[in-house]
Amino acid sequence: QLQLQESGPGLVKPSETLSLTCTVSGGSISSSSYYWGWIRQPPGKGLEWIGSIYYSGSTYYNPSLKSRVTISVDTSKNQFSLKLSSVTAADTAVYYCARPMIGSSSWYLWGQGTLVTVSS
Amino acid sequence: EIVLTQSPGTLSLSPGERATLSCRASQSVSSSYLAWYQQKPGQAPRLLIYGASSRATGIPDRFSGSGSGTDFTLTISRLEPEDFAVYYCQQYGSSPPGYTFGQGTKLEIK
Repeated sequence: QLQLQESGPGLVKPSETLSLTCTVSGGSISSSSYYWGWIRQPPGKGLEWIGSIYYSGSTYYNPSLKSRVTISVDTSKNQFSLKLSSVTAADTAVYYCARPMIGSSSWYLWGQGTLVTVSS
Repeated sequence: EIVLTQSPGTLSLSPGERATLSCRASQSVSSSYLAWYQQKPGQAPRLLIYGASSRATGIPDRFSGSGSGTDFTLTISRLEPEDFAVYYCQQYGSSPPGYTFGQGTKLEIK
């Protein structure tokens, strides 16, 4: 069955760029008609949608993060990626990649999440 | 941007009791675009309800969702020990396109 797995550095220095990759297994990222997404959760806090990408590369982002976020897709590797620039301690969070339910605007399939800490 | 406000912040109940969780939107939300999630410590959220009232695959029928417009409710008819967790509502808006989550309700054992 389809599975998602986040990967990337667990520690990033302030002002640098956070980079994460989500690898999709058990199915093709380009065979599905929905947008894949990134969602984050600061420790002990709620969920925040970061942005979404279609396999064609079309994207849309949370307006509050838009100036710092880039999401891209590599269909040959069955992956999509997140870059968040100029990070601060407020960007410390568990980062999840996710896939919506077909025909729905709800997030059905999630990766296990990866904790990224911003600290010098 | 639509803001979702969940209440109460914490709900203390006993197994077997009925739980009623509220999600209020700052402006009208299409029922098609309202979802509920359950999250346990150290785990990713789990989709419970989509389209305001449809249960996701494998979700027990003790979970039900209702509501429209700006007021939505998640009801757990008879609490089981495994239901104690944090619950989030979420909406999708099209102008601008994007998703927002409520701040969560913690359901704890009394």
